[in-house]
Amino acid sequence: DAMVIQNPRYQVTQFGKPVTLSCSQTLNHNVMYWYQQKSSQAPKLLFHYYDKDFNNEADTPDNFQSRRPNTSFCFLDIRSPGLGDAAMYLCATSRGGSTNEKLFFGSGTQLSVL
Amino acid sequence: DQQVKQNSPSLSVQEGRISILNCDYTNSMFDYFLWYKKYPAEGPTFLISISSIKDKNEDGRFTVFLNKSAKHLSLHIVPSQPGDSAVYFCAAPVTSGGYQKVTFGTGTKLQVIP
Repeated sequence: DAMVIQNPRYQVTQFGKPVTLSCSQTLNHNVMYWYQQKSSQAPKLLFHYYDKDFNNEADTPDNFQSRRPNTSFCFLDIRSPGLGDAAMYLCATSRGGSTNEKLFFGSGTQLSVL
Repeated sequence: DQQVKQNSPSLSVQEGRISILNCDYTNSMFDYFLWYKKYPAEGPTFLISISSIKDKNEDGRFTVFLNKSAKHLSLHIVPSQPGDSAVYFCAAPVTSGGYQKVTFGTGTKLQVIP
């Protein structure tokens, strides 16, 4: 089945130690998104790629970076994780090019910062 | 500024009864709404959507109602089943610069009691 896969499902890192979360998709979608979701809060868009074009949300901290080396893969890099960065990170995709599209989500990576 | 609000964090319903999940929005530019369903340890999955040109959309046991004047929508599940127990997110996309930015509500956790 075509899907969005996130690895790892659970990630534990130390305060200040860089961490990378990965997302891959077999849907051949043009757009890939990264959302951060903290407990009992709405998923918050960090940034997205439309093909190779990167779009950062204005309030996304500089500590968060992303890479999309090809259509299938997208990475979220947290350069110096703080305790406040502990959250569920959700990758999503959409076809792009039309309005009102549904998003396809991966299962998420739960990040803990010690 | 929470443009999509789900004011009930949780809801318990007896199996076979109707579940009604509510969502309010503040941005009059929203013209399309989606509901996503999320099970624990999984990513959200698309459930049902509605365009602002309609006031109702039905898909099996799921019906979404939209009241534009009140900026309110609701998801009805009839009859509710234990497998419907999940977190439900209301979401609204806005197209900007050729891509969709989706705003999510904080979610309502539905528990269907057998």
